[in-house]
Amino acid sequence: GENVEQHPSTLSVQEGDSAVIKCTYSDSASNYFPWYKQELGKRPQLIIDIRSNVGEKKDQRIAVTLNKTAKHFSLHITETQPEDSAVYFCAARNTDAGNMLTFGGGTRLMVKP
Amino acid sequence: EAQVTQNPRYLITVTGKKLTVTCSQNMNHEYMSWYRQDPGLGLRQIYYSMNVEVTDKGDVPEGYKVSRKEKRNFPLILESPSPNQTSLYFCASSIAGPETQYFGPGTRLLVL
Repeated sequence: GENVEQHPSTLSVQEGDSAVIKCTYSDSASNYFPWYKQELGKRPQLIIDIRSNVGEKKDQRIAVTLNKTAKHFSLHITETQPEDSAVYFCAARNTDAGNMLTFGGGTRLMVKP
Repeated sequence: EAQVTQNPRYLITVTGKKLTVTCSQNMNHEYMSWYRQDPGLGLRQIYYSMNVEVTDKGDVPEGYKVSRKEKRNFPLILESPSPNQTSLYFCASSIAGPETQYFGPGTRLLVL
């Protein structure tokens, strides 16, 4: 089955700096890669996703890049703000292998004012 | 208001005492799923359902049961809970398939 590894497990940045979180996946047939944000005590919420036919996708201050050859994808947050502090999860899905989503272990991002 | 609801939100129980966590969505979604969240392990899928009467195992189905008799409801059943099932449980739903899932508020379970 699919295996998703996420790094780093914790990340601390100064407000205004950029933050990058990386994930690698094992199944080369995976073709859908979402990112979820989970604030303390809250439910995970989808913030951005990318499909394997696209190399990069942006939505205001967040962007996701995908390198299919290397089997890794990354979340980029620019101009970080204290409200970006949360746990971020990446995930991967292989549509040919069923209807499951495999998540990474999560990254706790702390943005210091 | 479109939402996914779970009950109870918090539950303390003892080993072996059967329990059910309910999940309901009002968005007419076909896909529903259960996850457990443990520190450092992210979210792991327990079971999912593509539609009424269709359920499939996820990565960690041992010790759990589900049913999908109605489109809006997807209860999680622990027939004989054990301490290693102490966790935070999330129900989620989406229009079709595991993409763009909406999560419920979570159920924190402690098995003594």
